[in-house]
Amino acid sequence: DAGITQSPRHKVTETGTPVTLRCHQTENHRYMYWYRQDPGHGLRLIHYSYGVKDTDKGEVSDGYSVSRSKTEDFLLTLESATSSQTSVYFCAISESDGLVQYFGPGTRLTVT
Amino acid sequence: GENVEQHPSTLSVQEGDSAVIKCTYSDSASNYFPWYKQELGKGPQLIIDIRSNVGEKKDQRIAVTLNKTAKHFSLHITETQPEDSAVYFCAASNPQTGANNLFFGTGTRLTVIP
Repeated sequence: DAGITQSPRHKVTETGTPVTLRCHQTENHRYMYWYRQDPGHGLRLIHYSYGVKDTDKGEVSDGYSVSRSKTEDFLLTLESATSSQTSVYFCAISESDGLVQYFGPGTRLTVT
Repeated sequence: GENVEQHPSTLSVQEGDSAVIKCTYSDSASNYFPWYKQELGKGPQLIIDIRSNVGEKKDQRIAVTLNKTAKHFSLHITETQPEDSAVYFCAASNPQTGANNLFFGTGTRLTVIP
């Protein structure tokens, strides 16, 4: 998985609780992305980062925030988890052109 | 934004036969088209990609074709093997959306029957 780890790999949480997912890369790539994967929707971009402290919204950003304080780490936070955020979350990284993206192993999140 | 449609949603082929998966995109400004293979419980793996300045690209048993005029691109797998069984996703990148964000199709579940 191209030097990408995600933690935790599985999490069950209750509605209304905060959740933070971590993506860590060892490739020193500039771009990092968070996607969610749901049946019938493919993968949809939540947020992305184009450098340390440089982030922007994707297609489905409502209810999510991100932070990138170091090149190697990109955090995704659900401030108050809802059942609609039950999904599999994937981190991806890309080198200088931001086109060729490599994905991590994913985090399965269940909000009850 | 970009809209990518992928067909079929499921595909079953006999081992040794060919498989073709088709995608269409809506924005003529899109210029990069990757294909990913996803096995159960794993992240998507890039298997081949094509840029808008070429019409076809091959890598062993896998090929991708692009028709910019019609705004569609296809994945061709020849001499299929059981290990080709997986979900395949196409995607398109529109440089006008920022950071070359990828827009994905909804996936095709390919089953290769031994």
